[in-house]
Amino acid sequence: GENVEQHPSTLSVQEGDSAVIKCTYSDSASNYFPWYKQELGKGPQLIIDIRSNVGEKKDQRIAVTLNKTAKHFSLHITETQPEDSAVYFCAARLRKHGGSQGNLIFGKGTKLSVKP
Amino acid sequence: DVKVTQSSRYLVKRTGEKVFLECVQDMDHENMFWYRQDPGLGLRLIYFSYDVKMKEKGDIPEGYSVSREKKERFSLILESASTNQTSMYLCASSLGLAVVRADTQYFGPGTRLTVL
Repeated sequence: GENVEQHPSTLSVQEGDSAVIKCTYSDSASNYFPWYKQELGKGPQLIIDIRSNVGEKKDQRIAVTLNKTAKHFSLHITETQPEDSAVYFCAARLRKHGGSQGNLIFGKGTKLSVKP
Repeated sequence: DVKVTQSSRYLVKRTGEKVFLECVQDMDHENMFWYRQDPGLGLRLIYFSYDVKMKEKGDIPEGYSVSREKKERFSLILESASTNQTSMYLCASSLGLAVVRADTQYFGPGTRLTVL
């Protein structure tokens, strides 16, 4: 089955710097890659996603890139702010034979701390 | 906005007790999911449901069962709670139809269960 590796597990940056979180997946048939942000005491919330027919997607200060050949995708946060501090999860979804969609497989998470 | 609510934020139970965790979504979503979240392990899928009265095992179903009698409600049941089931439990829902954004999962705030 699909396996998702996420690095680093913790990341500390100064306010204003950029942060990059990387994930790799094992099954080349995966076709959907969302990123979730989980703030303290809350459930994860989708912040951006990318599908396998696109190489890059941007939404204000966050962007996601996908390299299908290497089977990895990354989250980029520019001009980080203290409110970006949270745990971030990547996920991958396998497209099964016959076209049905599999479930999301999550990475283990990255705790991002942005120091003022 | 999609709202996913969970019946309790914190729950303390004793070993051997039967435990019910309730989840309700208000957006007529087809799919509902139960995950557990543990430090260093990320989110792991316990059970999911694609329709009323339908249920399918996820990656770690042992020791759990579920019930979906109504479309908006998905219950997780621990028949006989054990200490290794102490965890954060997250419920999620998604639209489930073949349209854009149908696969976005919306999470509830979580229930932190402690089994003594």
